[in-house]
Amino acid sequence: EAQVTQNPRYLITVTGKKLTVTCSQNMNHEYMSWYRQDPGLGLRQIYYSMNVEVTDKGDVPEGYKVSRKEKRNFPLILESPSPNQTSLYFCASRLAGIPYEQYFGPGTRLTVT
Amino acid sequence: DQQVKQNSPSLSVQEGRISILNCDYTNSMFDYFLWYKKYPAEGPTFLISISSIKDKNEDGRFTVFLNKSAKHLSLHIVPSQPGDSAVYFCAASITNTGNQFYFGTGTSLTVIP
Repeated sequence: EAQVTQNPRYLITVTGKKLTVTCSQNMNHEYMSWYRQDPGLGLRQIYYSMNVEVTDKGDVPEGYKVSRKEKRNFPLILESPSPNQTSLYFCASRLAGIPYEQYFGPGTRLTVT
Repeated sequence: DQQVKQNSPSLSVQEGRISILNCDYTNSMFDYFLWYKKYPAEGPTFLISISSIKDKNEDGRFTVFLNKSAKHLSLHIVPSQPGDSAVYFCAASITNTGNQFYFGTGTSLTVIP
């Protein structure tokens, strides 16, 4: 089954404790991206990657890191999480060209206390 | 600054009637637009898209209209069904600059049986 998987689905952590949210896709997509969803703000893009070893900042990259060492994986790293990073996070992937529809993972609910 | 806006947080429609969801954008460089549907506890799923070279695109019960001069797009669902009850996000992109995507804040549609 074609899908984007994220782990963990739920995470409660404390300020400053490094964490990684994994994202994997099995559709051989070149493009992958991370978003956060917050009430009243919709989905905002954190980072995206056009291919292996090619990443770029989205709208809200501060406090996040990403890497793209393999085509299928695009982990999101929070080196020192803070409470304002409490959010619902989505990973997405798509093919490089038109159509630009993205396939989203099920989401990761992160709470930083 | 929100470049893509959905000014109606919610909409209720009777089953069988038309649902019209609206989206406005501020950046005249946007040239590709998409609508996504999101159910609770799931990631967004692609619904329909439109390129700026068109002013209308249809897919079954779903039609997207684009008015470039007004920087406005709308999604029409006819006829509306209870299973259409979800949050709808519009998104916009400038396709020749690395495919950064900007999402609206979402409209929660309730279709009343």
